[in-house]
Amino acid sequence: NAGVTQTPKFQVLKTGQSMTLQCAQDMNHNSMYWYRQDPGMGLRLIYYSASEGTTDKGEVPNGYNVSRLNKREFSLRLESAAPSQTSVYFCASRKDRISGNTIYFGEGSWLTVV
Amino acid sequence: GESVGLHLPTLSVQEGDNSIINCAYSNSASDYFIWYKQESGKGPQFIIDIRSNMDKRQGQRVTVLLNKTVKHLSLQIAATQPGDSAVYFCAENIPTGFQKLVFGTGTRLLVSP
Repeated sequence: NAGVTQTPKFQVLKTGQSMTLQCAQDMNHNSMYWYRQDPGMGLRLIYYSASEGTTDKGEVPNGYNVSRLNKREFSLRLESAAPSQTSVYFCASRKDRISGNTIYFGEGSWLTVV
Repeated sequence: GESVGLHLPTLSVQEGDNSIINCAYSNSASDYFIWYKQESGKGPQFIIDIRSNMDKRQGQRVTVLLNKTVKHLSLQIAATQPGDSAVYFCAENIPTGFQKLVFGTGTRLLVSP
């Protein structure tokens, strides 16, 4: 049981380039999330998908887009990368949006935009 | 891959000591709380959780205490081991329609042999 798997682990982009972070979970969870983590700050929600077929903005959505491809997969796209998007990105999943359900994280994707 | 917690509060303990890590949460309506452990270069790992109708919950070597009066959460680790060295942070579930999870910035635990 792999849990939440995200790729790539590391990526360096030039300003203006685009890329997609891939995420898949094998826990049959309904809800999936993308967070970013910056030094000295807690995890901040970029986008989430409460269930297959729906996506919504989180706290810091600007500069990102997402696709819930199916129940397992939730991708995050940077259309035109900026240095401010240098961060560690975590995909996460949760059984559903009921309080009491733990959220599980992937191992992270380290993105540097130069 | 270390880019998390460069300026975090740090708790240094000796191997075998008990550790207490504290967290102040923000919303009095929060109804569920989670503690995570994050090792360098890895994703947050679930440790233990507690619902707001409880004051205490115990796991293997860990205990979480909840004081709703002062909006305070603590994680106690018994007989701390070098492998416990990591950043620990709490999360609170705010029961909006979205069931929003808000994460703290964390505390770095350093365990000396």
